[in-house]
Amino acid sequence: DQQVKQNSPSLSVQEGRISILNCDYTNSMFDYFLWYKKYPAEGPTFLISISSIKDKNEDGRFTVFLNKSAKHLSLHIVPSQPGDSAVYFCAASDSGAGNQFYFGTGTSLTVIP
Amino acid sequence: DAGITQSPRHKVTETGTPVTLRCHQTENHRYMYWYRQDPGHGLRLIHYSYGVKDTDKGEVSDGYSVSRSKTEDFLLTLESATSSQTSVYFCAISDPGQPQHFGDGTRLSIL
Repeated sequence: DQQVKQNSPSLSVQEGRISILNCDYTNSMFDYFLWYKKYPAEGPTFLISISSIKDKNEDGRFTVFLNKSAKHLSLHIVPSQPGDSAVYFCAASDSGAGNQFYFGTGTSLTVIP
Repeated sequence: DAGITQSPRHKVTETGTPVTLRCHQTENHRYMYWYRQDPGHGLRLIHYSYGVKDTDKGEVSDGYSVSRSKTEDFLLTLESATSSQTSVYFCAISDPGQPQHFGDGTRLSIL
């Protein structure tokens, strides 16, 4: 049973515009959320995280929003660049239950020059 | 990346043979993990370790075993490989409450 879901397998965006990637989770005990970026033939790279005590975290062009009542988080990339083209995974963890992370199935982002 | 080395990077083997994948870290992180990545499934946890000789099962542990005799090494063993275990395997490391950092993966093909 998938506890973290990314319902959009792919997304295409024009360069310079905003990319919005979405993620839903089912476990209300999750309190730590992360986004990873993955290029082909490489391992996932940590991008940004957010704790459940916050509803927004920003790092340069990347912002993660958390809506706990809806069990939903999103990653905004502004402005999008061709180098952002990759697969993005969201992940979640219950910090009170060990250090296990649950991953979504990924969204493949293509930024069109 | 983050002092993680996976070996081998690629392997082709036959059904029924034993296979061992190695993950080596130089970061002295407490936790180590093995995942597999398959189309439509994302990253699924196979086993993880929270210390030397301390391991636990993940969601897809059947057919796999692990060992951690030193902080820096985490081994994943397929005792008798099956075609369903063809996948890309990733090792990850972390400290409590911190993001995981991943190796570059091992592409395993079982014919």
